[in-house]
Amino acid sequence: AQKITQTQPGMFVQEKEAVTLDCTYDTSDPSYGLFWYKQPSSGEMIFLIYQGSYDQQNATEGRYSLNFQKARKSANLVISASQLGDSAMYFCAMREGRGGSNYKLTFGKGTLLTVNP
Amino acid sequence: EPEVTQTPSHQVTQMGQEVILRCVPISNHLYFYWYRQILGQKVEFLVSFYNNEISEKSEIFDDQFSVERPDGSNFTLKIRSTKLEDSAMYFCASSLRTGHTQYFGPGTRLTVL
Repeated sequence: AQKITQTQPGMFVQEKEAVTLDCTYDTSDPSYGLFWYKQPSSGEMIFLIYQGSYDQQNATEGRYSLNFQKARKSANLVISASQLGDSAMYFCAMREGRGGSNYKLTFGKGTLLTVNP
Repeated sequence: EPEVTQTPSHQVTQMGQEVILRCVPISNHLYFYWYRQILGQKVEFLVSFYNNEISEKSEIFDDQFSVERPDGSNFTLKIRSTKLEDSAMYFCASSLRTGHTQYFGPGTRLTVL
């Protein structure tokens, strides 16, 4: 089974509107972390936001917020007031476990977001 | 702001040749990683490294691959005898502590002909 599922291969949004990118995850570990990364066409991976499994509140970073629904195992990324520069591939990733391991990240397949003017 | 750097940005090599991809992690970070992304596919974990030894490796990371931290700043990935299927973007990442956010470098695009 896929550990990270991103069901939207592509999404379109109008400039200045909000958009939600979906991510569901699968783990039996009570301790885990969820990350979102942005990959523009230039190829680099840019960290956006992090949510820990024990965090009580949804994470926010500027225009990015994470809609964390633990019971549903979802960690959707919300981008408010979209800008043309937000057009990129977005990856959801998870690290599992605690107690000395290095916590590799497992990535989803990504969602390609296009912001239209 | 500190960042992870990688060289070269693009490497073209012939099948069977050895390549070394170089990374300079963020200076106070202690945990290092290599990932790869085949064109159009998701990012895949290769190996993690801490305290001068491999902590974890994936099934992709076979005997053709090796990592090294030759000095206090560099972290390298060596592919001993490249295959066509090694063509991918290779990302180095580092984190301050285990479980913390991993910051990625800009990647090295490896093309094996």
